[in-house]
Amino acid sequence: DQQVKQNSPSLSVQEGRISILNCDYTNSMFDYFLWYKKYPAEGPTFLISISSIKDKNEDGRFTVFLNKSAKHLSLHIVPSQPGDSAVYFCAAPTNDYKLSFGAGTTVTVRA
Amino acid sequence: NAGVTQTPKFQVLKTGQSMTLQCAQDMNHEYMSWYRQDPGMGLRLIHYSVGAGITDQGEVPNGYNVSRSTTEDFPLRLLSAAPSQTSVYFCASSPGTDTQYFGPGTRLTVL
Repeated sequence: DQQVKQNSPSLSVQEGRISILNCDYTNSMFDYFLWYKKYPAEGPTFLISISSIKDKNEDGRFTVFLNKSAKHLSLHIVPSQPGDSAVYFCAAPTNDYKLSFGAGTTVTVRA
Repeated sequence: NAGVTQTPKFQVLKTGQSMTLQCAQDMNHEYMSWYRQDPGMGLRLIHYSVGAGITDQGEVPNGYNVSRSTTEDFPLRLLSAAPSQTSVYFCASSPGTDTQYFGPGTRLTVL
């Protein structure tokens, strides 16, 4: 049973606009979340993370928001650029440094 | 510093054949893991290791074996390949934090 869910398999956005990617989780014990970005034929790379003691973490054009009561987090990319076209995975550590991943959202940024 | 390397990049097997996917890291990370990525399912943990000589099963271990004789290497063995093992395989390492560093992947097709 997936503990981390990304219910939108794909997202298409105009260059310069905001991309919003959503992620839901079922385990209220999760206290840390990560976003990974993956280009075709490459391995995932770490993008941004958030601890449950915060409700927002920002890094340049990328901001992650956490709503613990709703067990929901979102990744905002502003402004979106063509190089942001990739698959984005939401993940949470379970134990022993194991990560539980969502199914991923494919973002396409249109010029 | 090469990070995490995986060989081969591509492999085609016939049902019943065996093979070993190689993974090496030069970052002196204690934690290493193997994931498989399938469409619509994200990355699923196959096996992991928290140090040399210590391995454990992940979410989908059946049909795979691992060993960890050195800190650097963590090979994944397919004992008798099946079409259900057609997937992209990623090796990852971690210094003991929640952030994992991924290799470029091995695309395996089992006919």
